[in-house]
Amino acid sequence: KQEVTQIPAALSVPEGENLVLNCSFTDSAIYNLQWFRQDPGKGLTSLLLIQSSQREQTSGRLNASLDKSSGRSTLYIAASQPGDSATYLCAVRGGAGANSKLTFGKGITLSVRP
Amino acid sequence: NAGVTQTPKFRILKIGQSMTLQCTQDMNHNYMYWYRQDPGMGLKLIYYSVGAGITDKGEVPNGYNVSRSTTEDFPLRLELAAPSQTSVYFCASIAGGRNTGELFFGEGSRLTVL
Repeated sequence: KQEVTQIPAALSVPEGENLVLNCSFTDSAIYNLQWFRQDPGKGLTSLLLIQSSQREQTSGRLNASLDKSSGRSTLYIAASQPGDSATYLCAVRGGAGANSKLTFGKGITLSVRP
Repeated sequence: NAGVTQTPKFRILKIGQSMTLQCTQDMNHNYMYWYRQDPGMGLKLIYYSVGAGITDKGEVPNGYNVSRSTTEDFPLRLELAAPSQTSVYFCASIAGGRNTGELFFGEGSRLTVL
């Protein structure tokens, strides 16, 4: 059974700091891994999607890496801003079919202090 | 760009009442999903669909029903609402097939059963 862990559950950093959010998973046989952002009272917004054959993906100040063999993914946020404050979730998919299980972590709540 | 649209955003039900949460997507996605999100519990899959006329149960289907008469719409019906169904419900969609990749979420429907 796939398990996805995100530690710590909460993180507070000063504005401008570069930071890394971690995501670990127990079964390395994944199809892809997706990072989401969730603002309070809102839905999940997709940030980055990494296919199992890829090592990293970049979008603006965000960079996500994937190491399947060690069961780890990291989301790097450069030059953090107060607007980055949100909960960040990672999710791993086991296969391509609709019934392939998508397992979510419980998220890391990030607070960026001005 | 509408993406995935859910209605209503908020609803209060009395025990035993029934209601339908609406979900529609305009991306011509094959796969659609209903999740519930509870504090500290992560997202749990309720039902999913691989296309019009085809639905299947997820992890926590009891107390819910779905239908998929068109590619665009995937309503979730709650029959005989119970306090345990107090939650935030998210609809999501994905292209499926060879295009399986990014999962898109709606803004969520917050349901309280009293």
